[in-house]
Amino acid sequence: QSALTQPASVSGSPGQSITISCTGTTSDVGDYNYVSWYQLHPGRAPKLIIFDVSNRPSGVSHRFSGSKSGNTASLTISGLQPEDEGDYYCSSYTSTNTLGVFGTGTKVTVV
Amino acid sequence: QVQLVDTGGGLVKPGGSLRLSCAASGFTFSDYYMSWIRQVPGKGLEWVSYISSSGSPIYYADSVKGRFTASRDDTKNSLYLQMNSLSAEDTAVYYCARSPHRLVPTFDYWGQGTLVTVSS
Repeated sequence: QSALTQPASVSGSPGQSITISCTGTTSDVGDYNYVSWYQLHPGRAPKLIIFDVSNRPSGVSHRFSGSKSGNTASLTISGLQPEDEGDYYCSSYTSTNTLGVFGTGTKVTVV
Repeated sequence: QVQLVDTGGGLVKPGGSLRLSCAASGFTFSDYYMSWIRQVPGKGLEWVSYISSSGSPIYYADSVKGRFTASRDDTKNSLYLQMNSLSAEDTAVYYCARSPHRLVPTFDYWGQGTLVTVSS
């Protein structure tokens, strides 16, 4: 099972919006609305920020939003803040493997 | 509040064994599916194992099948991962995570991770 494809890095200035893509196939992202996004910071527990394509868990900032078009899911961070720096991973249910698939990961830098 | 604490990582020689533990609190542990996920340094995430709320079935990634065994003890609110025949490729930070949905890679709470280093 191949990983979902994400850009290696995305950067933006404080206050800007950035979008991270997560490209899969019709066996995962394209056919199922079970896409989640996670934020990772070194030494800290990873955090779920989007589930089921576009839903935000309680307590997650409204600056984070998710969407999907065809085989590509997207995470948009609006009003970029320094604390948004970190690694972001998508994941999806897949029909080709019992356990789901993660994306390749994207490093977000606030410049 | 929900808390997951991963322990048991360390340095182990190739071919060796290690047992990871995950202590859960703040929720009814027995109601939830649980997972182990790992991140190889500098690389991405991999879903390693999934155990249902009843303890069966248990699923494993092909990369660890036959070598790793996941288990849970609901009386102790704990999740375990017994890792045998370890190789350098198993060097990673291992996280336990709560899975609110059956076999869907949505993990709503994670532990802080425990580092496993396999090296001679």
